Amino acid sequence: DAMVIQNPRYQVTQFGKPVTLSCSQTLNHNVMYWYQQKSSQAPKLLFHYYDKDFNNEADTPDNFQSRRPNTSFCFLDIRSPGLGDAAMYLCATSPPGLTNADTQYFGPGTRLTVL
Amino acid sequence: QKEVEQNSGPLSVPEGAIASLNCTYSDRGSQSFFWYRQYSGKSPELIMSIYSNGDKEDGRFTAQLNKASQYVSLLIRDSQPSDSATYLCAVNRGGGSYIPTFGRGTSLIVHP
Repeated sequence: DAMVIQNPRYQVTQFGKPVTLSCSQTLNHNVMYWYQQKSSQAPKLLFHYYDKDFNNEADTPDNFQSRRPNTSFCFLDIRSPGLGDAAMYLCATSPPGLTNADTQYFGPGTRLTVL
Repeated sequence: QKEVEQNSGPLSVPEGAIASLNCTYSDRGSQSFFWYRQYSGKSPELIMSIYSNGDKEDGRFTAQLNKASQYVSLLIRDSQPSDSATYLCAVNRGGGSYIPTFGRGTSLIVHP
């Protein structure tokens, strides 16, 4: 089945220790997104790629970086995690085309704990 | 800052009742509207999308859109305990953007 996969599902890191979260998709979608979601809050868009074009949200801290080496994979790098970065990180994709380009398909998420 | 507002709830309804979830948005240029369901600890899953004023029905779910009032709602008929989840409203940014803004969600509890 075509899907969005995130690894790992659970990640524990230490304060200040860099961490990388990964996302892969078999849907061949142009757009890939990274969201941060804290408990009882809306998913907050960090950045997205349209093909290879990177789009950063204005309020995304510099501590968060991303890479998209090819259509299928996208990575979220947190350079120096703080306690406030503990959250669920969601990867999503959306397909090409005009009629449903903005429908999003989410991966299962990575729960990040910072000690 | 364009916003999407939802009552956080919880909204509690008995099994078999109609659950009504509401959402308002601030960007008059928005053209695409979505409802996602999110179970605790899981990722959002799309339930409905709606693009035109009026009602759109899919099984037990009906989405309603009123662009003049900047209001979108989701009705769940014959609510089941398995419908207990948080329902996120998402509205795309105006100006032809494909990027959504999410509300914080309404928690729905369906009790037997």
